[in-house]
Amino acid sequence: GAGVSQSPSNKVTEKGKDVELRCDPISGHTALYWYRQRLGQGLEFLIYFQGNSAPDKSGLPSDRFSAERTGESVSTLTIQRTQQEDSAVYLCASSPRTSGYNEQFFGPGTRLTVL
Amino acid sequence: AQSVTQLGSHVSVSEGALVLLRCNYSSSVPPYLFWYVQYPNQGLQLLLKYTSAATLVKGINGFEAEFKKSETSFHLTKPSAHMSDAAEYFCAVSEGPNFGNEKLTFGTGTRLTIIP
Repeated sequence: GAGVSQSPSNKVTEKGKDVELRCDPISGHTALYWYRQRLGQGLEFLIYFQGNSAPDKSGLPSDRFSAERTGESVSTLTIQRTQQEDSAVYLCASSPRTSGYNEQFFGPGTRLTVL
Repeated sequence: AQSVTQLGSHVSVSEGALVLLRCNYSSSVPPYLFWYVQYPNQGLQLLLKYTSAATLVKGINGFEAEFKKSETSFHLTKPSAHMSDAAEYFCAVSEGPNFGNEKLTFGTGTRLTIIP
């Protein structure tokens, strides 16, 4: 498959547990974004990775949220001590990095439910 | 800072009728504007984009949008609705590639229902 993939597709967890979400970007795409889509709301930017540069973490809602990416490969988004308000669909997108406009290609998302 | 407002969280049109989904934006720099579609249980798909070239932009599936700077609008239209157009539509804005992070700021979405 040539698209962005995410796993798991669904995750149900108990309040207070940690969860880890995975994103496999399109091969060769140097930029990677995480967004969150809460019910009835638009997507919110969480974090941006570009190659080996320091990530832009300005969208992370609290210090319970963190993300990692090694080089231009897989990224993981970790949510510690989950709360019910963390329930949402978490979307990953990747894009190439050229001098012009760079389209973001979205994965299918991970639906997180915190009980 | 950037923001997007989509008027109407739900829009219903009859099959064959005009589709009009409204989007207004706010941006401190010349914006890049996008419309995405999300079908049930699927990821986001880019419908069309405005990247400072022609103000009337044509996208996939017969959709088009017009960038109007004076009105800060980027409304999405389709002359004749088809049942397969039923989906959620998101308008988004970014600062474009010259500012590094091309993060998208999304509106809250408009759910389009097609009435047979």
